[in-house]
Amino acid sequence: DSGVTQTPKHLITATGQRVTLRCSPRSGDLSVYWYQQSLDQGLQFLIHYYNGEERAKGNILERFSAQQFPDLHSELNLSSLELGDSALYFCASSLGPTSGNTIYFGEGSWLTVV
Amino acid sequence: DQQVKQNSPSLSVQEGRISILNCDYTNSMFDYFLWYKKYPAEGPTFLISISSIKDKNEDGRFTVFLNKSAKHLSLHIVPSQPGDSAVYFCAASGGGRDTGTASKLTFGTGTRLQVTL
Repeated sequence: DSGVTQTPKHLITATGQRVTLRCSPRSGDLSVYWYQQSLDQGLQFLIHYYNGEERAKGNILERFSAQQFPDLHSELNLSSLELGDSALYFCASSLGPTSGNTIYFGEGSWLTVV
Repeated sequence: DQQVKQNSPSLSVQEGRISILNCDYTNSMFDYFLWYKKYPAEGPTFLISISSIKDKNEDGRFTVFLNKSAKHLSLHIVPSQPGDSAVYFCAASGGGRDTGTASKLTFGTGTRLQVTL
C-alpha cells in the first residue's frame, strides 16, 4: 500500500459525459501528479500540482482539468468524454516538487467510455 | 521523442538466476532515476532509485547501476523469484530549471519479466 488513495476504482460512462477522479496523497506529501495509461501507450504525464499550485503540464487535453485543494487532495475532471479517453488514470504523490523526490503511485482509476 | 528507452519488451529468467533489465536515456539533464514494478491494472510500485551522483545503489535483492557516460542504467535482481514476474518500468526526472518540470517522471515503455520455475 503506497498510501496514495484514488476513487473511484472503476467507472463506466457514456461519450459526451463528464467525470471527476479523486486523489488523496500520502500523508505529508505536498506534490500530486496525474498520469494516464492507455492500452497501447505507456505512462503519460498529465499534470503536477505542488501545495495547491499548478507546477507543470504534460500531455493533458483542454477537455481535462485538475486542481489541488487546501487539504492537498486533488481532483482530475474529464469532460466531453470520447471513446479514446478510456484508460487507467493514476495519481501519484511526493514530498516535494523537485527531482530527487520519490514519487509513489495510487492503484489507479479505470475509466471506460462507451 | 522517447527520452527513456527500454529496448527489451520481455525477458524470461529461471528462478534463482540473475535478472538484468536495461534502460537507456537521452536527456543529459536527468539526475534521478527510479525503477517501478507493475502488475496489470495496478499502480506502479516503487522499487529502487539512484541519484546521478552515484553509480550503484543496492537494496536487498535489487541493485541499480548507473553509467552516466553511456546514459545507461540497469536493474539487477538476484536471486530471481517467481513473484518478481511483472512489468518493470524505468523512469527518470530532472531536465529543467523549473522545479515543477524537473520533478515529473518520464517513463520507459517497460520490460515484462517472467521468472520460470
